[in-house]
Amino acid sequence: GAVVSQHPSWVICKSGTSVKIECRSLDFQATTMFWYRQFPKQSLMLMATSNEGSKATYEQGVEKDKFLINHASLTLSTLTVTSAHPEDSSFYICSARWPERNEQFFGPGTRLTVL
Amino acid sequence: GNSVTQMEGPVTLSEEAFLTINCTYTATGYPSLFWYVQYPGEGLQLLLKATKADDKGSNKGFEATYRKETTSFHLEKGSVQVSDSAVYFCALANSNSGYALNFGKGTSLLVTP
Repeated sequence: GAVVSQHPSWVICKSGTSVKIECRSLDFQATTMFWYRQFPKQSLMLMATSNEGSKATYEQGVEKDKFLINHASLTLSTLTVTSAHPEDSSFYICSARWPERNEQFFGPGTRLTVL
Repeated sequence: GNSVTQMEGPVTLSEEAFLTINCTYTATGYPSLFWYVQYPGEGLQLLLKATKADDKGSNKGFEATYRKETTSFHLEKGSVQVSDSAVYFCALANSNSGYALNFGKGTSLLVTP
């Protein structure tokens, strides 16, 4: 299967700092990438849809100025959590869509802990 | 809008028991349906999928049939193993939502020897 990587796999930061998470599709070109958030023992909630070369589309209730998404190439999307607060602590998961296979492949996730 | 409802867990079964996890959906148009599995400490993996009505997805002994008339995509396995212990997510994707996945809440399965 296709491989999607995320970096870092976990990060601990102080309140008020910013954290960048990278999502890469390693063996296919992804015109669309998605960012999800998963709270403990809960489902994945879509945060935003990221299309290469255009602005991300955010779901209702997700602050675009707090969760900055950049999809600069067909294999890389980044999520920056700006001025992080403890309530932003969560598991962030990206996925990349392989259009020819009509399938999404998920990264392993990034555990963010804000102190 | 799109939504997925799946049975609440946790589900505890003995090895070799029959498994059913119910999943129903609401969607406009013609969604694709998926089952994803999340093993402890790992990321989501696609288990199986179906893209149109009456399609049956299957993998690793798991099966699910896309039933448009009942808007369902129930997951079944005839004989579970301890290694099947994981969280299972039903999901749908639709072109009208940019193919973003709508997930159910997940069902935790524990298989005991």
